[in-house]
Amino acid sequence: SAVISQKPSRDICQRGTSLTIQCQVDSQVTMMFWYRQQPGQSLTLIATANQGSEATYESGFVIDKFPISRPNLTFSTLTVSNMSPEDSSIYLCSATGSTYEQYFGPGTRLTVT
Amino acid sequence: ILNVEQSPQSLHVQEGDSTNFTCSFPSSNFYALHWYRWETAKSPEALFVMTLNGDEKKKGRISATLNTKEGYSYLYIKGSQPEDSATYLCAFRNFGNEKLTFGTGTRLTIIP
Repeated sequence: SAVISQKPSRDICQRGTSLTIQCQVDSQVTMMFWYRQQPGQSLTLIATANQGSEATYESGFVIDKFPISRPNLTFSTLTVSNMSPEDSSIYLCSATGSTYEQYFGPGTRLTVT
Repeated sequence: ILNVEQSPQSLHVQEGDSTNFTCSFPSSNFYALHWYRWETAKSPEALFVMTLNGDEKKKGRISATLNTKEGYSYLYIKGSQPEDSATYLCAFRNFGNEKLTFGTGTRLTIIP
């Protein structure tokens, strides 16, 4: 199994600012993903973080708003840019291990005021 | 758009009672169905990954069944304990895709 840590665990930010969330995995993994959970909603996939190349974004999410980096096999960052109150969510990093398993970090709880 | 639904949305159960809840998912192009247990401020914990129609898996007092032909899975908790209080998420993965599509979860509260 993989152990995933995220920083920060929570933050309160002013609208118009940006926040970068870091995700560290304790072993090399193939795929890394970023999800968010808005209040009362499902966990929704934002993008797949690709090592050494641009992330693959899901419908409704764009690179200018959610730039993602993945410089190596164990680390990724997600930036939430030009934040508004609608960006208040829990943001989770995940990674795939074996063929079926997908592991999650503890999440970053973001509140935008 | 893949539709994964969970019911009920929330559930209060007396300590010691048994309970179950449902996940429904598309029955075509099935690859895997995941169950997670998510406590506040912790990582979602993987409970089961189910891949075959008719699968039944068990982990302590928690078990799950899978019917891929009709597109549903049940999660059962026997003899509920306060530490079972959490949100239980299911996630569907279709063939040829690494991505998971999640349901909105069932929030379970065990009443001591």
